[in-house]
Amino acid sequence: EPEVTQTPSHQVTQMGQEVILRCVPISNHLYFYWYRQILGQKVEFLVSFYNNEISEKSEIFDDQFSVERPDGSNFTLKIRSTKLEDSAMYFCASSEEQGYRSGGHFGPGTRLLVL
Amino acid sequence: GESVGLHLPTLSVQEGDNSIINCAYSNSASDYFIWYKQESGKGPQFIIDIRSNMDKRQGQRVTVLLNKTVKHLSLQIAATQPGDSAVYFCAENKGNTGFQKLVFGTGTRLLVSP
Repeated sequence: EPEVTQTPSHQVTQMGQEVILRCVPISNHLYFYWYRQILGQKVEFLVSFYNNEISEKSEIFDDQFSVERPDGSNFTLKIRSTKLEDSAMYFCASSEEQGYRSGGHFGPGTRLLVL
Repeated sequence: GESVGLHLPTLSVQEGDNSIINCAYSNSASDYFIWYKQESGKGPQFIIDIRSNMDKRQGQRVTVLLNKTVKHLSLQIAATQPGDSAVYFCAENKGNTGFQKLVFGTGTRLLVSP
């Protein structure tokens, strides 16, 4: 069964540094998402992406965040200047259909630790 | 992907029992609900979904019930197995555009004893 993959599985960075989290969605999926889960808290929506543009974003997704689909297979989340509170598990998800008809497929996550 | 540190409600059952996990949602305008299973070190895994125009939906060993009057969702797992042990999240879709903008619940930890 096809899966969403994410790299790296773990990332440690210094506060103020830029990080790029990478995702390879399922190949025939057209809708892409990032979620995060801070330790001890709920999974939170960050952003949805379709047709090479952001469809919707949350209040968390401020100017420090950006997403990109640089080629036909990768979907990236960039955090320009990381803060301590960005430490979390970041999940990529993709879906074939419009979101409200599909629960989406989640990747295994990248654990980001900002020191 | 584990919810380490979350003070999750925990449901402990014996193998073979039926499990019922409950969830209250917040927005009466939400039109789509999903149950996810999250095992330690993994991302949320889709189990079953239901649209707001339905009250019940059945899958393999799982049933989701939706009570819109009281904004309540439940997941029933029949003949629970040790492999069902995980954290279970309900999620509601609050997307304005029809895109997936899920709002997740806190989660319930299910422990299945052999």
